[in-house]
Amino acid sequence: RKEVEQDPGPFNVPEGATVAFNCTYSNSASQSFFWYRQDCRKEPKLLMSVYSSGNEDGRFTAQLNRASQYISLLIRDSKLSDSATYLCVVNMKGDSWGKLQFGAGTQVVVTP
Amino acid sequence: DGGITQSPKYLFRKEGQNVTLSCEQNLNHDAMYWYRQDPGQGLRLIYYSQIVNDFQKGDIAEGYSVSREKKESFPLTVTSAQKNPTAFYLCASSITLAANNEQFFGPGTRLTVL
Repeated sequence: RKEVEQDPGPFNVPEGATVAFNCTYSNSASQSFFWYRQDCRKEPKLLMSVYSSGNEDGRFTAQLNRASQYISLLIRDSKLSDSATYLCVVNMKGDSWGKLQFGAGTQVVVTP
Repeated sequence: DGGITQSPKYLFRKEGQNVTLSCEQNLNHDAMYWYRQDPGQGLRLIYYSQIVNDFQKGDIAEGYSVSREKKESFPLTVTSAQKNPTAFYLCASSITLAANNEQFFGPGTRLTVL
């Protein structure tokens, strides 16, 4: 079993619609969680950190469910510019430093 | 502008050759990292460095070597011992080696072995 798993998609979303997807992680003691965004053939960039209480940044909402060991990302009012691959990133047990485990990504395609 | 630069953007290598990928940052970050990305897979950690003159193996260090002689620079050498070197290589840095620090990535180098 992979340590961080994501549905690869693609999620085809009409412009203006809402899309949500999850990421599961295997280690119950994981401490830090992030969503990164990666455009085609570009480098990943931090979208948002995920906090225990859940957090929102504009049209983006991230949730953490420790009991079921998953995090989620919801995008409201999708824009064409939201088309990208979204990487789930988790810090695993025993690693108090910045060693992160990356999921393979969920592709989102926003269509006009 | 502060950031991370990687060069070259594209690199072609013949089998049996060593090649060095450049990574420079002017963010004054202590920690630096090298990852490789293959299609359909997550980023995998090759090497990381907490501070100048210190570096540690990541999950897939075999066939690679690094140096950290300057804070700003963390070059990666892909040796002929690396069995499948064709991949997208990403360098990253963070303020310190702490789990909650954002990692900033360079634009990457696409290495193709002919």
